[in-house]
Amino acid sequence: RKEVEQDPGPFNVPEGATVAFNCTYSNSASQSFFWYRQDCRKEPKLLMSVYSSGNEDGRFTAQLNRASQYISLLIRDSKLSDSATYLCVVNYNYGQNFVFGPGTRLSVLP
Amino acid sequence: EAGVTQFPSHSVIEKGQTVTLRCDPISGHDNLYWYRRVMGKEIKFLLHFVKESKQDESGMPNNRFLAERTGGTYSTLKVQPAELEDSGVYFCASSQETGLGEAFFGQGTRLTVV
Repeated sequence: RKEVEQDPGPFNVPEGATVAFNCTYSNSASQSFFWYRQDCRKEPKLLMSVYSSGNEDGRFTAQLNRASQYISLLIRDSKLSDSATYLCVVNYNYGQNFVFGPGTRLSVLP
Repeated sequence: EAGVTQFPSHSVIEKGQTVTLRCDPISGHDNLYWYRRVMGKEIKFLLHFVKESKQDESGMPNNRFLAERTGGTYSTLKVQPAELEDSGVYFCASSQETGLGEAFFGQGTRLTVV
């Protein structure tokens, strides 16, 4: 079983749609969680950190369920510019390693 | 403040040749990571430095790969001799000492072995 798993995708949605990404992780010792965004042929860039209480940044909402070892990302009112691959990243052992999920590709269509 | 920089951005070499990739982390970041993305696969961890020490090199594929970080500043990743399956994008990332924060990535080096 992979350490971090994500929805296989791709997701093709119209502008304005709401889309949700799911991620599960296998290492219960995982300590911090992130969603990164990667545009085609670019480096991954932090979208948002994920906190136990859940957090929101504009149109983006992230949730963490430690008991279920599950992380989610919700994008509301999706824009064309949201098209990218979304990477779920888990960090454990106090910064020893960031483990990446395979990513879910999103295409927002006009 | 400069971000993580990598050099070169692209490299095309023949099988059997040697290539050295360089990464300059964000100033003051003790943690430096190398990752690789092979076509169609997820980003995979290669190794992690804390300052000049190798903290974890469990992801290094084989002994054709050698990473160094002399002086705890920039790092190099040498592939010698290169094989076709080494082709991919090599990312470097750095993070602050506390380690629980985000990792900042360089733009990557796209390596093609022909």
